[in-house]
Amino acid sequence: DGGITQSPKYLFRKEGQNVTLSCEQNLNHDAMYWYRQDPGQGLRLIYYSQIVNDFQKGDIAEGYSVSREKKESFPLTVTSAQKNPTAFYLCASSPDRLFGEQYFGPGTRLTVT
Amino acid sequence: GNSVTQMEGPVTLSEEAFLTINCTYTATGYPSLFWYVQYPGEGLQLLLKATKADDKGSNKGFEATYRKETTSFHLEKGSVQVSDSAVYFCALSHTNTGNQFYFGTGTSLTVIP
Repeated sequence: DGGITQSPKYLFRKEGQNVTLSCEQNLNHDAMYWYRQDPGQGLRLIYYSQIVNDFQKGDIAEGYSVSREKKESFPLTVTSAQKNPTAFYLCASSPDRLFGEQYFGPGTRLTVT
Repeated sequence: GNSVTQMEGPVTLSEEAFLTINCTYTATGYPSLFWYVQYPGEGLQLLLKATKADDKGSNKGFEATYRKETTSFHLEKGSVQVSDSAVYFCALSHTNTGNQFYFGTGTSLTVIP
């Protein structure tokens, strides 16, 4: 079955540590995205990538980094510079133009203490 | 700029009740409008969409009509089921911002038997 995989579902880290969240898709989609979701808020865009080896900052990129070395993979690193990293992180992809209809993964809940 | 405002929740309904979740948007011209649904612990799933004025999106008994005159895209269902319990997000994308998605804050719906 085609889809988007995010792992792990739950992730715990100590403050000051970098952590990388995985996102893999086998839909052959060109564009991929990372969003952050906090309680009572809508989704906020962190980074997006239209093609391999290219990515752009979204609205809240500070304290995050990404890479896009393969079409199917778009990992997100939450660095120690991110002041409030505890959140639910969602990865998405879209088949056509950038920001066309988006397909979401199941999400990773990151807790930093 | 572009934005979406949706009614605050939580909303609690009895099974078979009528559902309306209000969504209004701010944007110039004609954005595309979407409703996404998020079941507990999962990512978002596209529920329905409309890409031009007066279009009606529909899926699984849910409907929403793109009303340019009132800049609205209200979600309705005639008879809700317990399985409809979820968080519903209204969203828009527009070519004037590179088709970036803007999400509302989400409305939590609980349907009780």
